[in-house]
Amino acid sequence: SYVLTQPPSVSVAPGQTARITCGGNNIGSKSVHWYQQKPGQAPVLVVYDDSDRPSGIPERFSGSNSGNTATLTISRVEAGDEADYYCQVWDSSSEHVVFGGGTKLTVL
Amino acid sequence: QVQLVQSGAEVKKPGASVKVSCKASGYTFTGYYMHWVRQAPGQGLEWMGRINPNSGGTNYAQKFQGRVTMTRDTSISTAYMELSRLRSDDTAVYYCARVDGDPTYWYFDLWGRGTLVTVSS
Repeated sequence: SYVLTQPPSVSVAPGQTARITCGGNNIGSKSVHWYQQKPGQAPVLVVYDDSDRPSGIPERFSGSNSGNTATLTISRVEAGDEADYYCQVWDSSSEHVVFGGGTKLTVL
Repeated sequence: QVQLVQSGAEVKKPGASVKVSCKASGYTFTGYYMHWVRQAPGQGLEWMGRINPNSGGTNYAQKFQGRVTMTRDTSISTAYMELSRLRSDDTAVYYCARVDGDPTYWYFDLWGRGTLVTVSS
């Protein structure tokens, strides 16, 4: 089955740029989506189709995808961005949705 | 208002079954696949499967094959997820979530607030 690998944690100072990676075999050929989840809340979509943002998501959130790595980039990080972030793809071979293990973003 | 409203928390004994409901409102229920995702305490998101509310067709994650059943009642725009032979490691928050369009591009644009299922003797 298809596996997505994320770093367990990323730390960044306020105002800096956070980059969260999502690794997978030839992930660049898939459409990658990213979710933000704060404690006690349901996940919220922040980037879809590699790099598109839903309405209401700040431009500070962006995404890219190439080769074996997709990346969620959060510019000018704020304290309110502290959360868990998950990447997700559709695996056509198994017809299953796959999530990465999640990355905890800590704002120092 | 477009939303998914889930049923309340449940406490079950090992070996029992639980059925969680997810009522859709504000959109055409049969127009969007419904998926179920669970999250054990302190753990990540885990996909369980999906149902096509229009046809009733289902596809389950291999891990849950034989224990999970997803159904729907289109007359009340509600999807259900039933998990049987519960174990303590099934303790988790269970979410329903909507997707749109081609599976190749499936992403969850609408989530329920989650239902906590606790399995304890």
